[in-house]
Amino acid sequence: GDSVTQMEGPVTLSEEAFLTINCTYTATGYPSLFWYVQYPGEGLQLLLKATKADDKGSNKGFEATYRKETTSFHLEKGSVQVSDSAVYFCALLSNDYKLSFGAGTTVTVRA
Amino acid sequence: ETGVTQSPTHLIKTRGQQVTLRCSSQSGHNTVSWYQQALGQGPQFIFQYYREEENGRGNFPPRFSGLQFPNYSSELNVNALELDDSALYLCASRLDSRRGYTFGSGTRLTVV
Repeated sequence: GDSVTQMEGPVTLSEEAFLTINCTYTATGYPSLFWYVQYPGEGLQLLLKATKADDKGSNKGFEATYRKETTSFHLEKGSVQVSDSAVYFCALLSNDYKLSFGAGTTVTVRA
Repeated sequence: ETGVTQSPTHLIKTRGQQVTLRCSSQSGHNTVSWYQQALGQGPQFIFQYYREEENGRGNFPPRFSGLQFPNYSSELNVNALELDDSALYLCASRLDSRRGYTFGSGTRLTVV
């Protein structure tokens, strides 16, 4: 079945450092890809999405490009802030209804 | 927009009991999905409803059931609770297939 594999954490960075979280997927057809963020004690917030190959999703300085040839959707941010500390989930939408999530990557940014 | 609201926020139940979790979606959101998120893991798809009919189900036993109502609210019912049912339960809804899902803050269920 469809699945997502993302980089294991935790990841600890200093403020203004570069962040990359790797995400690869296995899917039949052409899924839509997402990154969600979860702050402590809260639900999931959509960070960005891409619906077809070569699309680039971006939001709040984060970017991810849908790479069909490598089945990847890596998340990047050039300069992280303490407020970016959270758990990040890569997900794919298959068959137009089911979201499949990775296990999540915990990111901690130190001042 | 009022977002997706879930209630209660926290709940403690005893093994073998039944529980009902509630979700109120945004007006017009005909699609609602429920997910189970165990501690330290990603959310797992339980099922989805579209216009009050179940139209997709994950790998969960029949004791997990749901309802969706015309007023864009929904319920997740779990019978015969087991210790492993302890998790954060998330409700998510969307307006149509072109848009992403909006998630609620979840209900933290603890089974003792």
